[in-house]
Amino acid sequence: GAGVSQTPSNKVTEKGKYVELRCDPISGHTALYWYRQSLGQGPEFLIYFQGTGAADDSGLPNDRFFAVRPEGSVSTLKIQRTERGDSAVYLCASARRGEDHNEQFFGPGTRLTVL
Amino acid sequence: GDSVTQMEGPVTLSEEAFLTINCTYTATGYPSLFWYVQYPGEGLQLLLKATKADDKGSNKGFEATYRKETTSFHLEKGSVQVSDSAVYFCAFSNSNSGYALNFGKGTSLLVTP
Repeated sequence: GAGVSQTPSNKVTEKGKYVELRCDPISGHTALYWYRQSLGQGPEFLIYFQGTGAADDSGLPNDRFFAVRPEGSVSTLKIQRTERGDSAVYLCASARRGEDHNEQFFGPGTRLTVL
Repeated sequence: GDSVTQMEGPVTLSEEAFLTINCTYTATGYPSLFWYVQYPGEGLQLLLKATKADDKGSNKGFEATYRKETTSFHLEKGSVQVSDSAVYFCAFSNSNSGYALNFGKGTSLLVTP
């Protein structure tokens, strides 16, 4: 079956612009996670959805970052007034349920470059 | 705070050599432990996991044992292949973090023929 997909695969934008990154999870997975991976680092947690609601957004770095999942499937990560420090690979993962032993399946990521 | 420390790479081995990648964690509660792998040009994928103390996770010849007394989860393989060349990430999750994964920085492995 289809895995987690993310679009676009690459996004280049200018400082100060607004961007949206999309994640399509595996069908039927109720848990969805966003992570950010900087060069040479492991992924860092941003936000976790269980269904339509954000169950934990403690990883969002500041109020320029926001994410939604209105119908409990597709999720969009939104970044306002982008800064050069936002450049990273943004990863999305989904799991059947939000339990710690459930395997998270990762998408290929969106590489964001802020010039 | 919660964190994962894994040995720095890159690690370069000859084919059929023994592999150990060390991983230790700092976490509250009783975390589940994972090793994820990222092959060149591919996304992160789960390699193995262990959900309670003394459990051993295994897959594709790789093994790791959950050692609560030393808060470690070292990855081992008896005989590596060129196809094992990848970046390996140690991680944990628990209810304190909403079951999100807390990753180490990753260890790059290169296996030469």
